[in-house]
Amino acid sequence: AQSVTQLDSHVSVSEGTPVLLRCNYSSSYSPSLFWYVQHPNKGLQLLLKYTSAATLVKGINGFEAEFKKSETSFHLTKPSAHMSDAAEYFCVVSDRTSGTYKYIFGTGTRLKVLA
Amino acid sequence: EAQVTQNPRYLITVTGKKLTVTCSQNMNHEYMSWYRQDPGLGLRQIYYSMNVEVTDKGDVPEGYKVSRKEKRNFPLILESPSPNQTSLYFCASSFRRGGGTEAFFGQGTRLTVV
Repeated sequence: AQSVTQLDSHVSVSEGTPVLLRCNYSSSYSPSLFWYVQHPNKGLQLLLKYTSAATLVKGINGFEAEFKKSETSFHLTKPSAHMSDAAEYFCVVSDRTSGTYKYIFGTGTRLKVLA
Repeated sequence: EAQVTQNPRYLITVTGKKLTVTCSQNMNHEYMSWYRQDPGLGLRQIYYSMNVEVTDKGDVPEGYKVSRKEKRNFPLILESPSPNQTSLYFCASSFRRGGGTEAFFGQGTRLTVV
C-alpha cells in the first residue's frame, strides 16, 4: 500500500541557514512525488514534482528535492531560508493502485524561520 | 487567471442545518476532488469526480454528498452537519487523476459546526 511519512512535524531554522524537510514514501510502482506549500490562510501551491525523469528536481523559490529510490526518500531542501518560507509543507505520492491513480498526502511539516 | 474558487471562506453553522460549499474551476479540468484537513492528519480525500455525472467516494465520505452537473462546478453538501465535521476543506482540480498531474487547490473553507 502507498504511504507517505514526513519525519518532522515542526522544523525551525534561522534565516539564511539551510532547510531540510524529510519525506519517505512506500509505493508498489514507480511513483510520482510532489511537494506542496501552504501559507497561512492560503490554498496549497505546488513547489515541485518528480515524474521519473531527472532525480534532482528544482522547484520554485529556490527549493529542490532529490528522489532516492534506494532510500525511498524525497527530501526537500533549500540552501538559505528566507522569512517568507515560513509555512506548512506537504509531501505527496501518487501512483497506480488497483488500476487507478490516487494522491496520498503526508501529515505536513510546519517550517518556522527565525530572524 | 487559472484558479479554483471556493465559497464561503469561513462558515459557522449549527448541528443539523444543511449547508453547501461551492467550488468552481476555470481550467476545463475533468478531475475534481474535495479534501478535509485536520491537525496531524494531513489532507484526506472526501469525494472525487472523474467527469460530469461521475463521482465516487474517497477515504472519508461519511456525512457528505457531492454532485457534478457541470464540468466547472463541484459543490460539497453536508445534509446534517455534526461537530466532528468541523475542519478546513479544500477543493482541487486537475487535468486528470494522479500520475504526474499537478492538482490546483482552492483557498479553503474553514467550517465550524457548533
